[in-house]
Amino acid sequence: AQSVTQLGSHVSVSEGALVLLRCNYSSSVPPYLFWYVQYPNQGLQLLLKYTTGATLVKGINGFEAEFKKSETSFHLTKPSAHMSDAAEYFCAVTSNSGGSNYKLTFGKGTLLTVNP
Amino acid sequence: DTEVTQTPKHLVMGMTNKKSLKCEQHMGHRAMYWYKQKAKKPPELMFVYSYEKLSINESVPSRFSPECPNSSLLNLHLHALQPEDSALYLCASTQTVTGELFFGEGSRLTVL
Repeated sequence: AQSVTQLGSHVSVSEGALVLLRCNYSSSVPPYLFWYVQYPNQGLQLLLKYTTGATLVKGINGFEAEFKKSETSFHLTKPSAHMSDAAEYFCAVTSNSGGSNYKLTFGKGTLLTVNP
Repeated sequence: DTEVTQTPKHLVMGMTNKKSLKCEQHMGHRAMYWYKQKAKKPPELMFVYSYEKLSINESVPSRFSPECPNSSLLNLHLHALQPEDSALYLCASTQTVTGELFFGEGSRLTVL
C-alpha cells in the first residue's frame, strides 16, 4: 500500500519569497515520486520526478525537490516565488512493483497563493 | 503543449442523454487512464487500460463505460448520469516503466 500526505492545504507567500510545499509518503517498496501543478481549469502538468539516482531533482519553472528516504519526504521548493506560480500542487507516489506501477496515488493538494 | 488531447473541452448534458468523451495520444504510450476530479480535490482514478485491455476499474458505476478502440484512443461513454457526476474528467497516458502520467487538459462535464 502507498499513501501521500501533503502538509498544509493552503500556503501563501509573498512574491520573491521562498516556496516550500511539504510532502511525506508511505510505500512498502522503493517509490517513484512526482510533483504535479494544476492551473485553474487545466489538466495536471509534471513539475519533476524522482525515480532512482540523484536525490535532489530539478524540474521546470525553477522548482526542485529532495528525496529523503530516512524522513520519507519529498518536499518541493523554489527560491523565489513568482506570481505565475499561483496554482494547485499535487504530490504523488507510485512504486515499481508490477501492477501497482499503474496506480498513481495523489496527495490532497496544496493551493499556493502568491501575494504581490 | 500537452500531447494528450481531450474533446470536448466542455460538455453540458441532461440526465437522459448519451454522450462521449474522447482522448487521443501519439506518444506510443501503452497505458491510458480516466480520472475524475471534483473541485478542490485530487484526481480520482476511474479506469486504466493497458495494451488496449481494461486492467483496472475502480468500482465505477456502469453509467460510465470506457472503450479503447486502439493504442492511441480512449473513449468514455456517458449515459443516464446524475448531477453529482459533474466534474473535470482527465485522460492520461504513461510509459509503464516510470509511471509518470501525461495528462490532457480535461473535459469539464456539467449534468443538469
